[in-house]
Amino acid sequence: GQNIDQPTEMTATEGAIVQINCTYQTSGFNGLFWYQQHAGEAPTFLSYNVLDGLEEKGRFSSFLSRSKGYSYLLLKELQMKDSASYLCAVMETGGFKTIFGAGTRLFVKA
Amino acid sequence: GAVVSQHPSWVICKSGTSVKIECRSLDFQATTMFWYRQFPKQSLMLMATSNEGSKATYEQGVEKDKFLINHASLTLSTLTVTSAHPEDSSFYICSASLGLASETQYFGPGTRLLVL
Repeated sequence: GQNIDQPTEMTATEGAIVQINCTYQTSGFNGLFWYQQHAGEAPTFLSYNVLDGLEEKGRFSSFLSRSKGYSYLLLKELQMKDSASYLCAVMETGGFKTIFGAGTRLFVKA
Repeated sequence: GAVVSQHPSWVICKSGTSVKIECRSLDFQATTMFWYRQFPKQSLMLMATSNEGSKATYEQGVEKDKFLINHASLTLSTLTVTSAHPEDSSFYICSASLGLASETQYFGPGTRLLVL
């Protein structure tokens, strides 16, 4: 079956570092995405991992371990504007269908 | 980057009426478009995958006769909610893909539907 798990909510302090974990079990794997979604808005693309390892992009980094079915999104130097939902999504093989996790709501406090 | 538009951005309608939502890729040709529904505080639920010139592939539990999808061209897909009811009230989001293996989806801004 298909299953993507991530924590429901997290709280962190402005300027700190936060790691949002995601575990997945899907029938096929063609890459893992992280999206940011502010309330009432559409998701925006953050990162894509298809090979094991860490991808760094500014304050955001994403890690993937295919053998463990595990990924994390690392946010550094947190800002208030980073308060949003972060969606972990896995693209299946053939057809580019993407399955989304329920999302992690991140609250950044001063 | 790639831009996807949706129209209308929000709509209020009476129960029993039909509502059409348009999704357009503005600066690229989208091989595949996806339609999602999102209820408050929940994640995106894929409703259907739409390929230009062919019938849409619906996810399990999604009524194809109620949610009509037409992908008339490489830049336009439409979702029609037929005989809408209050339980159809939701945030509908489309996305478009170039169809490349490593390509992300580009999301439209979403359409908020309220059925009274």
